[in-house]
Amino acid sequence: ETGVTQSPTHLIKTRGQQVTLRCSSQSGHNTVSWYQQALGQGPQFIFQYYREEENGRGNFPPRFSGLQFPNYSSELNVNALELDDSALYLCASKGVRNEQFFGPGTRLTVL
Amino acid sequence: SQQGEEDPQALSIQEGENATMNCSYKTSINNLQWYRQNSGRGLVHLILIRSNEREKHSGRLRVTLDTSKKSSSLLITASRAADTASYFCATDAGVTGGGNKLTFGTGTQLKVEL
Repeated sequence: ETGVTQSPTHLIKTRGQQVTLRCSSQSGHNTVSWYQQALGQGPQFIFQYYREEENGRGNFPPRFSGLQFPNYSSELNVNALELDDSALYLCASKGVRNEQFFGPGTRLTVL
Repeated sequence: SQQGEEDPQALSIQEGENATMNCSYKTSINNLQWYRQNSGRGLVHLILIRSNEREKHSGRLRVTLDTSKKSSSLLITASRAADTASYFCATDAGVTGGGNKLTFGTGTQLKVEL
């Protein structure tokens, strides 16, 4: 059984650019969530996907969007990057007891 | 926004001592979970306690939940240097659409010294 993986590990972008982050869920897990963690803070929920449909969204603007694919892998897309988007982006797949299995994260720096 | 707050923000203890972290939250919940994070990387799930449970154990971990006070505590017994990490509580209150949204606190930074 493979764990949650994310790519890339690190990414540097400039303001106004667009970015796509990728996540592969833990084997057999059909629900994936994305979180943003600013330095020194706890993670904040962006959205969740279940069977390729968004089924929950946090307080993030529409320029944060996502996709889930038939193999349950997922993407997080962020358009028109702002400096405050610099953070660790975490992907998590949901286990049978509602616990979340997190990937190692993608560190995004916006200059 | 953060749902809860952990207390203390930072804790430094000697190896072998017990570490206690507290978490308070604001809304009704389905369950509360504790996670560990090393050096700003991915979070590791430690333990989940449901809203109708009061105490749960897992190895050296003991979690209590008081829904009337909207608070939880995590006790790590006989701490080791490898326990050095940030610890977060997270509440699951469900979300419109049927999903699960974890709302995290601000975390407790635990340092266990040899």
